Amino acid sequence: DAGVTQSPTHLIKTRGQQVTLRCSPKSGHDTVSWYQQALGQGPQFIFQYYEEEERQRGNFPDRFSGHQFPNYSSELNVNALLLGDSALYLCASSLLVGVGQETQYFGPGTRLLVL
Amino acid sequence: QKEVEQNSGPLSVPEGAIASLNCTYSDRGSQSFFWYRQYSGKSPELIMSIYSNGDKEDGRFTAQLNKASQYVSLLIRDSQPSDSATYLCAVNQGGSEKLVFGKGTKLTVNP
Repeated sequence: DAGVTQSPTHLIKTRGQQVTLRCSPKSGHDTVSWYQQALGQGPQFIFQYYEEEERQRGNFPDRFSGHQFPNYSSELNVNALLLGDSALYLCASSLLVGVGQETQYFGPGTRLLVL
Repeated sequence: QKEVEQNSGPLSVPEGAIASLNCTYSDRGSQSFFWYRQYSGKSPELIMSIYSNGDKEDGRFTAQLNKASQYVSLLIRDSQPSDSATYLCAVNQGGSEKLVFGKGTKLTVNP
């Protein structure tokens, strides 16, 4: 049973560039959430996708956007990169069974460095 | 702003001891509570989930939830050096699946 996968594992970009990160959820899961984890901090919720639509969004600017495909995989796009966007980006997948009842499982993450 | 607070640590215990990790949350509407373990340089790994008041045991791990006090804890019995990691408490924001995380408690188990 394949777990959550993410690509790439590491990425180096320069300020102002754009980046796309990818995630495939765990088999049987239909919901993908994205988190940003800065060094020494807990993960912060960016947004969640279900049925190819953004269900909920955290306190992140519009430079952060996403997409979910019919096969439930997802992409996170970040435009106009800033130095402060350097972080570990985590994808979590879950099965939507009811509000407050789902369990999220994390992928290995993509470590982004913006120079 | 809904918050989750954890003792920042670091917490150091000898091998074989009980490690106690604590977490408080501010959102009374929260319904689901999780403990994740994160090794350095790795992603969070689910350890325990708990949804109702009381204790939930899984092997050497026991999660305790007290919704009236807005408090959740994790006990690790017979701590092993392999338990050395950062432990993240996560709580769902009431009425949603958004998880709010604490900053984590770094645990070191000394052989």
